[in-house]
Amino acid sequence: GQNIDQPTEMTATEGAIVQINCTYQTSGFNGLFWYQQHAGEAPTFLSYNVLDGLEEKGRFSSFLSRSKGYSYLLLKELQMKDSASYLCAVPNTGFQKLVFGTGTRLLVSP
Amino acid sequence: DTEVTQTPKHLVMGMTNKKSLKCEQHMGHRAMYWYKQKAKKPPELMFVYSYEKLSINESVPSRFSPECPNSSLLNLHLHALQPEDSALYLCASSQEAGSYQPQHFGDGTRLSIL
Repeated sequence: GQNIDQPTEMTATEGAIVQINCTYQTSGFNGLFWYQQHAGEAPTFLSYNVLDGLEEKGRFSSFLSRSKGYSYLLLKELQMKDSASYLCAVPNTGFQKLVFGTGTRLLVSP
Repeated sequence: DTEVTQTPKHLVMGMTNKKSLKCEQHMGHRAMYWYKQKAKKPPELMFVYSYEKLSINESVPSRFSPECPNSSLLNLHLHALQPEDSALYLCASSQEAGSYQPQHFGDGTRLSIL
């Protein structure tokens, strides 16, 4: 099966940088997704990493280390609108579906 | 605005009612999904349709009945639900069924069972 761990909550200040970690155990690997979900809204796709390293998309970057079963989402120049839950997700053993972590609730304060 | 449209946005129903949730996408995606999400929890997969055929049923109780009339539409028929079924029901779609495909989610239907 899969086991995905993320911190439950994080707080940060507007303009700062925050790193949200995700560790996973899975018998096979076919990539790792990050989604953002604002309260009461749909999850939105942020990134997909299948190879080791850092991928940058504007203020958001995502890092993967397959050997360590570890990923992080890096948010720079934080804005109030970045307050949301951030969900890490990996495929299940049969690669048929995504399994989501419990999510990290990020609160950005002024 | 999301490219996956779900109706209604809110639904309140009694335990004896029959209602349906609807989902529509016009991105040409061939895989569609139903998820259930409780407050402060991640989405939990319920069903997957691939090319209009049911490919995954996550042992969902029969009081939830999915239907895929065509490649753009996905329904979830509800009957004799229980209070613990109150949740946000999310529809999603992806280019193909496969865990490497990013999924696009609708805004969900918030369901309350009285």
